[in-house]
Amino acid sequence: SQQGEEDPQALSIQEGENATMNCSYKTSINNLQWYRQNSGRGLVHLILIRSNEREKHSGRLRVTLDTSKKSSSLLITASRAADTASYFCATGLSGGSNYKLTFGKGTLLTVNP
Amino acid sequence: DADVTQTPRNRITKTGKRIMLECSQTKGHDRMYWYRQDPGLGLRLIYYSFDVKDINKGEISDGYSVSRQAQAKFSLSLESAIPNQTALYFCATSAPGQGVNEQFFGPGTRLTVL
Repeated sequence: SQQGEEDPQALSIQEGENATMNCSYKTSINNLQWYRQNSGRGLVHLILIRSNEREKHSGRLRVTLDTSKKSSSLLITASRAADTASYFCATGLSGGSNYKLTFGKGTLLTVNP
Repeated sequence: DADVTQTPRNRITKTGKRIMLECSQTKGHDRMYWYRQDPGLGLRLIYYSFDVKDINKGEISDGYSVSRQAQAKFSLSLESAIPNQTALYFCATSAPGQGVNEQFFGPGTRLTVL
């Protein structure tokens, strides 16, 4: 089963508004990553947050991580039409030689001009 | 030039045919991965490799095999394709290090099995 689950499955907003997407996971993690996928294309890495970090920023992106609740959120501020894409969280598990990611099903974000 | 390339980009084949999808990278990464993506679903890991002599099964390896011919090349084969292997296939790489690092994805191969 998927380790990460995004919520909502789809989100539609107007340009200039903020978009928030959430991710929940089940087991202990080493880090959590967010990726963006434009329709039918390869995924692009956005940001990585480690298990000992609580918040991270990159440009208009803000990611939070709450390991006690096993959840993360991705906030995109002042959204643009070009932000329209699917967004996936991916978890890297802790322990042993776990060097692979487990992806959620994604949130489809539509930003209307 | 793209750092991670996949060939072919699109392929239509028939049930029972053998298919090979190829991935090449110029990033110098040791770790390479093959995923499949189905509509409305996330990516599921098929196989992964951490160096030329290392091959590991992922979540959904049945019906697939891989070959790591060199550090830069990682091929995925479907020995006898079936319709439910119709999907978008992605290759990815990542640098070595503790834990799971950022992954770099190729553009994908859209495979249709009739």
